Amino acid sequence: DTEVTQTPKHLVMGMTNKKSLKCEQHMGHRAMYWYKQKAKKPPELMFVYSYEKLSINESVPSRFSPECPNSSLLNLHLHALQPEDSALYLCASSPLGTSGSYEQYFGPGTRLTVT
Amino acid sequence: KNQVEQSPQSLIILEGKNCTLQCNYTVSPFSNLRWYKQDTGRGPVSLTIMTFSENTKSNGRYTATLDADTKQSSLHITASQLSDSASYICVVSADDYKLSFGAGTTVTVRA
Repeated sequence: DTEVTQTPKHLVMGMTNKKSLKCEQHMGHRAMYWYKQKAKKPPELMFVYSYEKLSINESVPSRFSPECPNSSLLNLHLHALQPEDSALYLCASSPLGTSGSYEQYFGPGTRLTVT
Repeated sequence: KNQVEQSPQSLIILEGKNCTLQCNYTVSPFSNLRWYKQDTGRGPVSLTIMTFSENTKSNGRYTATLDADTKQSSLHITASQLSDSASYICVVSADDYKLSFGAGTTVTVRA
């Protein structure tokens, strides 16, 4: 199974709502990532989890709160978002090791619209 | 600053024709270079990944080359198909986690 799954595929939320994005992988990868991608732009790294611990936070606003309940799951909790947060949110996972080539596998993304 | 530049920004080709996409990078240190294909509204899918010692790698009709001395890479698509219409992103890795993404080349294949 070389698939990263993300739910929901689409999400529309108001600025006062609280919602969560979910990501799951069963490849035994111990690194998981959240990216934000605006239209016609490359993905921007938001967070990295390594062995279920947050290892990188790219100065993301606190209205985005990541969570890694176990080695297969990654959540992104959303609260009080702004319209400019509308984007495609991508989850990725990769193995950890000494090879130096950490292939990242991406999920299909969640298309988020903040109204 | 680590940068990855791709050219052209977009191109249109006829079905069955070949095309080559370019990628120049200034990422240092260098760990590996990847080419991803991304359909609109979908996540990127890996086509190839090359380390410093590799100068060519193929995946079906896709062939990537790497010149680590000049810091250039290319992706050649042979006998294009309508399904090849997508954005192709060059990604360079300097360390374990963080990737430097190019802006992508949008390829449109027309019948």
